[in-house]
Amino acid sequence: DAGVIQSPRHEVTEMGQEVTLRCKPISGHDYLFWYRQTMMRGLELLIYFNNNVPIDDSGMPEDRFSAKMPNASFSTLKIQPSEPRDSAVYFCASSTSGTGLPYEQYFGPGTRLTVT
Amino acid sequence: AQSVAQPEDQVNVAEGNPLTVKCTYSVSGNPYLFWYVQYPNRGLQFLLKYITGDNLVKGSYGFEAEFNKSQTSFHLKKPSALVSDSALYFCAVRDVGQAGTALIFGKGTTLSVSS
Repeated sequence: DAGVIQSPRHEVTEMGQEVTLRCKPISGHDYLFWYRQTMMRGLELLIYFNNNVPIDDSGMPEDRFSAKMPNASFSTLKIQPSEPRDSAVYFCASSTSGTGLPYEQYFGPGTRLTVT
Repeated sequence: AQSVAQPEDQVNVAEGNPLTVKCTYSVSGNPYLFWYVQYPNRGLQFLLKYITGDNLVKGSYGFEAEFNKSQTSFHLKKPSALVSDSALYFCAVRDVGQAGTALIFGKGTTLSVSS
């Protein structure tokens, strides 16, 4: 299995531009999570989906952030307009509920976003 | 509310010595507990988990963790540290009774193993 795939791995953009981060979860996983990691705030859960439906988006910092999961194999996290304080590493993770137990999450390599 | 605490920002040990990375949790019911490791410029990797059963859980790379319900702790341990164990370690928890909720991660503990 290729694991969780994220693209791009690095993104440098100017303030005000739209940024789209992409994630392909592990095939068969029904949960998908988006996290943000910074030195100051650590690892923050932004939003997660179950069977393509957003379950909890309370971690999304503001309306500039939006996430979609149009199908079981693809999700996007969009920031519009971007600001320098959005600079961080964004991780996508997926897991399966299987028999109902909380199986471990598998993380992608992350996208390092720099907004200048 | 669920929470997890990693009281140490950094742990320093010498190679060959035993290591412990501490984690305490708070849930209203019974917990599911996890440890993850993050190497520089990489995503988090699963190490081990406690769901039920034996309080001593063995995981990847020689790590183990002991679930202590009375102390609400789930400390990560390894008998003999390696320089390659140097990384950022995260503890995570979920309440068994809170179906559909995500894991709560601690702030992370940086482990530094010196040669």
